[in-house]
Amino acid sequence: AQSVSQHNHHVILSEAASLELGCNYSYGGTVNLFWYVQYPGQHLQLLLKYFSGDPLVKGIKGFEAEFIKSKFSFNLRKPSVQWSDTAEYFCAVNSNTGNQFYFGTGTSLTVIP
Amino acid sequence: DTGVSQNPRHKITKRGQNVTFRCDPISEHNRLYWYRQTLGQGPEFLTYFQNEAQLEKSRLLSDRFSAERPKGSFSTLEIQRTEQGDSAMYLCASSWETGADTQYFGPGTRLTVL
Repeated sequence: AQSVSQHNHHVILSEAASLELGCNYSYGGTVNLFWYVQYPGQHLQLLLKYFSGDPLVKGIKGFEAEFIKSKFSFNLRKPSVQWSDTAEYFCAVNSNTGNQFYFGTGTSLTVIP
Repeated sequence: DTGVSQNPRHKITKRGQNVTFRCDPISEHNRLYWYRQTLGQGPEFLTYFQNEAQLEKSRLLSDRFSAERPKGSFSTLEIQRTEQGDSAMYLCASSWETGADTQYFGPGTRLTVL
């Protein structure tokens, strides 16, 4: 079975600091990869996704992620965080041939003004 | 487009009772997913529909859980003989055609089993 690991459970940063959240998955085949965000009191929403092509994908609000197939990783980055980035971040994966989605346990990000 | 809606938003029930939740997806979306989320965890896949057909169910989904999507529009998730371990947030999401398509999540139904 597939699984997703998010190593950082809680991250606290000051505004303008750089962010990198780790995500590793276990699956040997072709995958689709996603980062979802949940702002306080809101629904889960998509930040960005990768399914083919350029392994460096850009999402909303200045976020980007890089798919490194050899490392089974899809880390999320942002060069300069803002207080409004305070949220829960979830990495997710599904196989190109399957329909089940697997989510990581999430990373809680707190940005201090 | 009003997004994915779920009802009720909160449900408190006694152990052993049956509960039913409803999800209304975005109207043009063919796929509909149900997830369960507990505190400190990510969403856990339960089941998925392509139009009215239930194509996949998690092995974690016990026989007490059943889902339907009549006519390929709204969906219901029923839990029979609820247990305290069923207490969780139940999320619904919908998307277009493929697994690479963005899922749009609803606000969830929070179930508390006393």
